[in-house]
Amino acid sequence: GAVVSQHPSWVICKSGTSVKIECRSLDFQATTMFWYRQFPKQSLMLMATSNEGSKATYEQGVEKDKFLINHASLTLSTLTVTSAHPEDSSFYICSARDRPSSYEQYFGPGTRLTVT
Amino acid sequence: AQSVTQLDSHVSVSEGTPVLLRCNYSSSYSPSLFWYVQHPNKGLQLLLKYTSAATLVKGINGFEAEFKKSETSFHLTKPSAHMSDAAEYFCVVSDSTLSGGYNKLIFGAGTRLAVHP
Repeated sequence: GAVVSQHPSWVICKSGTSVKIECRSLDFQATTMFWYRQFPKQSLMLMATSNEGSKATYEQGVEKDKFLINHASLTLSTLTVTSAHPEDSSFYICSARDRPSSYEQYFGPGTRLTVT
Repeated sequence: AQSVTQLDSHVSVSEGTPVLLRCNYSSSYSPSLFWYVQHPNKGLQLLLKYTSAATLVKGINGFEAEFKKSETSFHLTKPSAHMSDAAEYFCVVSDSTLSGGYNKLIFGAGTRLAVHP
């Protein structure tokens, strides 16, 4: 149980275009979903936290107009990177929590974005 | 605020020898602590977690960790390394402060474990 999927697993896009990444909880309802960014050989940095039906809470330094997060249902959250640039190339990982009081998060396999 | 420090960025061991990955945390509250493993280009897999129950926590694949409050440590160990253990390991603490009511995970910088034949 507690499986989180991401789609696509990798994507290449041209500079200036937008790309959408999906995060789904397959066998549970995710009250909260998280989006992380990981640069090569570095740790995970939390980008934003989202609850179903409400606006995402962004971490300091993360541009909310560039990284659009939508948590439209209890099983789906999307991250849209708008007007992507090469510096946005990274590994994006989502996670989900099944209970508000839970400390544990279930992680997706990640999406590798390359902007050319 | 919580923080976590992984004391070694790289650890190299021979197959069959013990593994020790060190982690120290800083927390004003009773922390929840986790160890995650990440294989190349893969997502994170939970190895084990401490949530104020037994201080010695056993996880998957023969790993275990001991919560030592007096030392603020949560080191990860395994008696005998296997080639398949080569990966990146993250020590993680849960930020239980109310940041909009959400418990955030604070990641350490990671320790890359290499296992040699």
